[in-house]
Amino acid sequence: DTGVSQDPRHKITKRGQNVTFRCDPISEHNRLYWYRQTLGQGPEFLTYFQNEAQLEKSRLLSDRFSAERPKGSFSTLEIQRTEQGDSAMYLCASSLGLGLITSGANVLTFGAGSRLTVL
Amino acid sequence: QKEVEQNSGPLSVPEGAIASLNCTYSDRGSQSFFWYRQYSGKSPELIMFIYSNGDKEDGRFTAQLNKASQYVSLLIRDSQPSDSATYLCAAYTNAGKSTFGDGTTLTVKP
Repeated sequence: DTGVSQDPRHKITKRGQNVTFRCDPISEHNRLYWYRQTLGQGPEFLTYFQNEAQLEKSRLLSDRFSAERPKGSFSTLEIQRTEQGDSAMYLCASSLGLGLITSGANVLTFGAGSRLTVL
Repeated sequence: QKEVEQNSGPLSVPEGAIASLNCTYSDRGSQSFFWYRQYSGKSPELIMFIYSNGDKEDGRFTAQLNKASQYVSLLIRDSQPSDSATYLCAAYTNAGKSTFGDGTTLTVKP
């Protein structure tokens, strides 16, 4: 297993364009998370999936953001009509999710991230 | 108020010293707590997690949890220049997600 993969690693786009990021989690992991991180801040929760079900979406998240995990494997995060404020590192992470907390089932393994720059 | 608060730092210690990083959380439903290390330009990686009150040791690292005070800490003994990074505290709740603090940047000077 090669860990969590994210693509693309870097994306530069013009304001108003749509962008899509892809995440391939660790295959044995049931849960997949999307976070956003800007300079000097910690990762900010966006949404997460357990298998193919989207269980929570941040109430701070604009309707321009949508995520899918159609077959419970890879996930996509789409941002429509991008704004300069969307510029950030988008981090995907996965975890086993099921199991005792004592077993570390909720430890997050992060991908390398997708850096978005909106001009 | 953020759900997870950390000393903003930066924290600077000499090589070989003990570095102490602190974190408080607001959600009493938080079940377990994580310390992640993030090098500049890289993604967070797990150092250790703790879920019971008291201390948990792993090599040079010791995590401490006090649920009554809603306080988590990380001690790094014999600090090395390679420990220079941002340390992120995260709290996991039964809602299924981890909430992160903004991190404390540690610099270990040779």
